[in-house]
Amino acid sequence: DQQVKQNSPSLSVQEGRISILNCDYTNSMFDYFLWYKKYPAEGPTFLISISSIKDKNEDGRFTVFLNKSAKHLSLHIVPSQPGDSAVYFCAARNTGNQFYFGTGTSLTVIP
Amino acid sequence: GAGVSQSPSNKVTEKGKDVELRCDPISGHTALYWYRQRLGQGLEFLIYFQGNSAPDKSGLPSDRFSAERTGESVSTLTIQRTQQEDSAVYLCASSLVGGRKHYEQYFGPGTRLTVT
Repeated sequence: DQQVKQNSPSLSVQEGRISILNCDYTNSMFDYFLWYKKYPAEGPTFLISISSIKDKNEDGRFTVFLNKSAKHLSLHIVPSQPGDSAVYFCAARNTGNQFYFGTGTSLTVIP
Repeated sequence: GAGVSQSPSNKVTEKGKDVELRCDPISGHTALYWYRQRLGQGLEFLIYFQGNSAPDKSGLPSDRFSAERTGESVSTLTIQRTQQEDSAVYLCASSLVGGRKHYEQYFGPGTRLTVT
């Protein structure tokens, strides 16, 4: 049973525009949510996180929004750059320190 | 500093053989995780080690899978009598426990296992 879902397998965006990646979860007991970025043949790298007690966290061009009532989070990248092209994984952590990952969204930023 | 390393980077094995995958976590990271990523799928949790506590093995898919960790250092994931459905990229991650960044996992490059 997939506790973290990314329903869009791919997304294409023009350079300079906003990229919005979405993620839904089912377990209301998750305490941290994270986004990872993955290039081919490399392991995922941590990008940004948000605690379940917050609704927004911003780091440079990256902002994560959390809507607990909808059990939904999103990652906004503004402005998008060609180097942002990668697979983005959403993840959630439970209080037992287990992490659940979505299936990923492949972002292509078109120059 | 050195990141998480994994070996081998690629492994091709015949069905029925045993394989051993190795992970060297970042020094000082007490938590270590193993994940599996099948083609087109997300990361699937396998096992979690935290210090000297009993490991959380709840994600291991069958008793053919086992993992060991020596103290807070190297971990090995062993798959016995490999099956074709074991073909995947096996990823290891480590993290601190406690402190502000305790939820950040650092991943190795993975081992691509192909069972023929």
